[in-house]
Amino acid sequence: DQQVKQNSPSLSVQEGRISILNCDYTNSMFDYFLWYKKYPAEGPTFLISISSIKDKNEDGRFTVFLNKSAKHLSLHIVPSQPGDSAVYFCAAYDISGNTPLVFGKGTRLSVIA
Amino acid sequence: EAGVAQSPRYKIIEKRQSVAFWCNPISGHATLYWYQQILGQGPKLLIQFQNNGVVDDSQLPKDRFSAERLKGVDSTLKIQPAKLEDSAVYLCASSLIHGQGANKAFFGQGTRLTVV
Repeated sequence: DQQVKQNSPSLSVQEGRISILNCDYTNSMFDYFLWYKKYPAEGPTFLISISSIKDKNEDGRFTVFLNKSAKHLSLHIVPSQPGDSAVYFCAAYDISGNTPLVFGKGTRLSVIA
Repeated sequence: EAGVAQSPRYKIIEKRQSVAFWCNPISGHATLYWYQQILGQGPKLLIQFQNNGVVDDSQLPKDRFSAERLKGVDSTLKIQPAKLEDSAVYLCASSLIHGQGANKAFFGQGTRLTVV
């Protein structure tokens, strides 16, 4: 039972264009969402997060959008850079339920110069 | 600020052998997590500690896996005996406390275990 789904295993984008990574969740109790970035042979690093009381959070080139009714969130990277090439994991948890982070399977982003 | 330290980085063992992994979290972080990441999958929580107490170990295969966090700081994860399907990267993470915004967990580089 996958509570967090990233249905695109991979994505290729030209440098300078927008990268859009998608994530869907099934557990309506989730109220905090995070994106992690992972390079080969390294642990995941925190990128950006959003609380369910918001529908958008922006940090530099990275913006996360949350659509609670659709149980969907997306990560936008504009403009994409070759250094953004990595695996991106979506994660979610229920603050009040004190649940641990639940991760999706990840999307491998390749930014082509 | 020092990050989460894990050792060893790589380990190859035969099935039915035992293995142990070590984790030193970021100083002051009360919450420590062990995740298992199988190739092509996202990290899956094995066990979560709050200080030296276990908060969640519902997905820990307790017949072969054990973990402890002595004095609420360092932690070890042990597998005995190992099976082929235990081949994965074992990630340790820590966070300040578990809750609002604080569940931004910081991960170590992981230990890649290969069971042959």
